[in-house]
Amino acid sequence: DAGVTQSPTHLIKTRGQQVTLRCSPKSGHDTVSWYQQALGQGPQFIFQYYEEEERQRGNFPDRFSGHQFPNYSSELNVNALLLGDSALYLCASSLAIGTGGLTQYFGPGTRLTVL
Amino acid sequence: AQTVTQSQPEMSVQEAETVTLSCTYDTSESDYYLFWYKQPPSRQMILVIRQEAYKQQNATENRFSVNFQKAAKSFSLKISDSQLGDAAMYFCAYTNTNAGKSTFGDGTTLTVKP
Repeated sequence: DAGVTQSPTHLIKTRGQQVTLRCSPKSGHDTVSWYQQALGQGPQFIFQYYEEEERQRGNFPDRFSGHQFPNYSSELNVNALLLGDSALYLCASSLAIGTGGLTQYFGPGTRLTVL
Repeated sequence: AQTVTQSQPEMSVQEAETVTLSCTYDTSESDYYLFWYKQPPSRQMILVIRQEAYKQQNATENRFSVNFQKAAKSFSLKISDSQLGDAAMYFCAYTNTNAGKSTFGDGTTLTVKP
């Protein structure tokens, strides 16, 4: 049973650039959430996708956007990168609310460094 | 907004001993889930245990158990017979059943001494 996968593992960008991170959910899961984890801190919720729509959003600027595809995989896009965007980006998948979901399973993360 | 507080940034335990990690949370909701996740240095976040708020019985998974005190909004994790492989950062997380998103604490780094 394939778990949550993310690509790439590491990424180095410069300020002002744009980045796209990718996530494939655990088999059978239809909901994908993205989190930002700064060094030494807990993950912070960015947004959640279900049925190809953004269902919820945390306190992140519009520079952070996402997409979910019909196969439930997802992308996180960050425009106009800032130094403060350097972090580990985690993807988590789950079943939809009301279907026994809520338990989130995490991928290994993408380490983004902005120079 | 929900908040999760882990008041112990670092804890250490001797191998084979028992350790308890603390977590408190703040919410006005009555229906929610609580989780403990483990994040080893390799960084993959692994689910350790989960507790549904409507259940009075404390969850147990092998050597891991929780002490869930709903009125006190407390959710501690007990690790029995600690093993070297238990060394990691442990995160407590709150999930509202209507929202589905999780709010995490800042973690507790657990060191296991041989």
